[in-house]
Amino acid sequence: DVKVTQSSRYLVKRTGEKVFLECVQDMDHENMFWYRQDPGLGLRLIYFSYDVKMKEKGDIPEGYSVSREKKERFSLILESASTNQTSMYLCASSRTSGTLYNEQFFGPGTRLTVL
Amino acid sequence: KNQVEQSPQSLIILEGKNCTLQCNYTVSPFSNLRWYKQDTGRGPVSLTIMTFSENTKSNGRYTATLDADTKQSSLHITASQLSDSASYICVVSASPRDYQLIWGAGTKLIIKP
Repeated sequence: DVKVTQSSRYLVKRTGEKVFLECVQDMDHENMFWYRQDPGLGLRLIYFSYDVKMKEKGDIPEGYSVSREKKERFSLILESASTNQTSMYLCASSRTSGTLYNEQFFGPGTRLTVL
Repeated sequence: KNQVEQSPQSLIILEGKNCTLQCNYTVSPFSNLRWYKQDTGRGPVSLTIMTFSENTKSNGRYTATLDADTKQSSLHITASQLSDSASYICVVSASPRDYQLIWGAGTKLIIKP
């Protein structure tokens, strides 16, 4: 079974703090993703990575950065947390299969509250 | 603008009953359509993925249909169980790679005993 784990289920931080969210997958997947999920909205892609040390901006990258130093690990960094970054953060991974689609597997999510 | 719209926003049914959730999309180009189940406070789990050449796909009591001409999909749940209480999310991909997924807001389904 594919397993995607995230470092924290719940996190409370103060405005201006630097926040690290960690994601680890154990299936040797090439692709990893960070999304945020807010009530009433679909998931929005923040950043993705298709290889070690590679990263691409998603739809809402402002205020975030990422790091992928090892294939299994993808970190999301909030350089200076703000209250509008209070959200559920979801990490996902997928294999580049060469077929008609790549299926994404998700972690349990981190609910971040910024006070 | 690429969009995925789901209806209804929420639905309450009795255990054992069937239900159908709807998804309309305006995504171009179209590669595939996915349905995910998301339990409260958890990450989404894939139910089905259909390409443009498929018009129905089943996963146990879940059956998804796709009409690429009208750009509509539905998810039918048969003989609902309490564990089916969750949000169901329709996702359309604009390419075979998964970098361009357009997510619907989901339908929140509540099954009552």
